[in-house]
Amino acid sequence: EVQLVESGGGVVRAGGSLRISCAASGFTFDDYGMSWVRQVSGKGLEWVSAINWNGGSTSYADSVQGRFTISRDNARNSLYLQMDTLRAEDSALYYCARAGDTSGYVYYFDYWGQGALVTVFS
Amino acid sequence: QSALTQPASVSGSPGQSITISCTGASSDVRVYNSVSWYQQHPDKAPKLMIYDVSNRPSGVSNRFSGSNSGNTASLTISGLQAEDEADYYCSSYTSTNIFFGGGTKLTVL
Repeated sequence: EVQLVESGGGVVRAGGSLRISCAASGFTFDDYGMSWVRQVSGKGLEWVSAINWNGGSTSYADSVQGRFTISRDNARNSLYLQMDTLRAEDSALYYCARAGDTSGYVYYFDYWGQGALVTVFS
Repeated sequence: QSALTQPASVSGSPGQSITISCTGASSDVRVYNSVSWYQQHPDKAPKLMIYDVSNRPSGVSNRFSGSNSGNTASLTISGLQAEDEADYYCSSYTSTNIFFGGGTKLTVL
């Protein structure tokens, strides 16, 4: 059974940093690209970042470019999001999501975690 | 302005069919061949319902179908059931970004 379990969420002051993690199991992690998608309570989904199977290719939404860094450790079956210079508008539930196929392109997601809550106060 | 536009809400009675549209704001957004649809119940993670315009993942009911015409994709749910009441999001991508529509709240009357 595919499982994605996020951790590391919390409360941080604006301007601060936080790293969230996603532990993957039930599939061959390094076959798949991965992504982070966030959702403000009561609002819609917003794609944040994606990474290919070996970490050699990454992409970011304009809203987080230069502040967030996505990475992965295939030996640990883990995905990470390092968030720096956090802003109040970064407060959201952050979902870890698996790319829908092993083509190498990350553009749809077939499994999602339950999310890690990040709250940024000013 | 979102790159993908959906109606804020739709409704239907049990047994009826409804369609949710998703229009790309520009030709860069690959609505014509790479739209996916997600269902999200309150306080739950999104669930993939349709990918690549019209493909259903294993386990998704065949009451859900997808199509497109030009730069507008559509999700049709036939034989509406109470459990279909949820938020639905379309998604597509450009060469550098992935986008979600603003979401459509489906109410089953």
